[in-house]
Amino acid sequence: GENVEQHPSTLSVQEGDSAVIKCTYSDSASNYFPWYKQELGKRPQLIIDIRSNVGEKKDQRIAVTLNKTAKHFSLHITETQPEDSAVYFCAASTLGGYSTLTFGKGTMLLVSP
Amino acid sequence: DAMVIQNPRYQVTQFGKPVTLSCSQTLNHNVMYWYQQKSSQAPKLLFHYYDKDFNNEADTPDNFQSRRPNTSFCFLDIRSPGLGDAAMYLCATSRDPGRWDTEAFFGQGTRLTVV
Repeated sequence: GENVEQHPSTLSVQEGDSAVIKCTYSDSASNYFPWYKQELGKRPQLIIDIRSNVGEKKDQRIAVTLNKTAKHFSLHITETQPEDSAVYFCAASTLGGYSTLTFGKGTMLLVSP
Repeated sequence: DAMVIQNPRYQVTQFGKPVTLSCSQTLNHNVMYWYQQKSSQAPKLLFHYYDKDFNNEADTPDNFQSRRPNTSFCFLDIRSPGLGDAAMYLCATSRDPGRWDTEAFFGQGTRLTVV
């Protein structure tokens, strides 16, 4: 089955800095890579996703890149703000087939004012 | 306008006493998932339903069962909760995983305490 590794487990940055979270996956059939943000005591919510037919996707301060050859994908947050503080989970699955989401272990992002 | 609703938000049960957690959805999604999330860990898939088809993960303990009486509702039954079963239980839904516009929507979760 799929295995998703996520690094780092914690990341502390100053407000305004950039933050990068990296994930690797094992199943070359995986083609859908969402990122979820989970604030303390709240549900995970999708913030951005990327499919294997593109290498990069951007949404305001958030971008995700995908390297299919190396089987890794990354989340980039620019101009971080205190409200970006949360746990971020990457995940992988196979669309067009039948599979479920496999999550990475999560990264706790702390943005200090 | 909550789309995936879990009840209760907090559940305290006694060691060994059966407990049921519930999940309902207004999205009419084919797939419903149950995840277990322990403190500071990623959600771990226990099982999921694709319509009425039940799919159990290989490492889900027999202590955990599920029912889906209709499209909108799904239940998680823990037959004999142990201290190690204390966790947040998240329900999620998505469309047919074969579609390219699938997105998993999570409920708020039920935090289970075993005493």
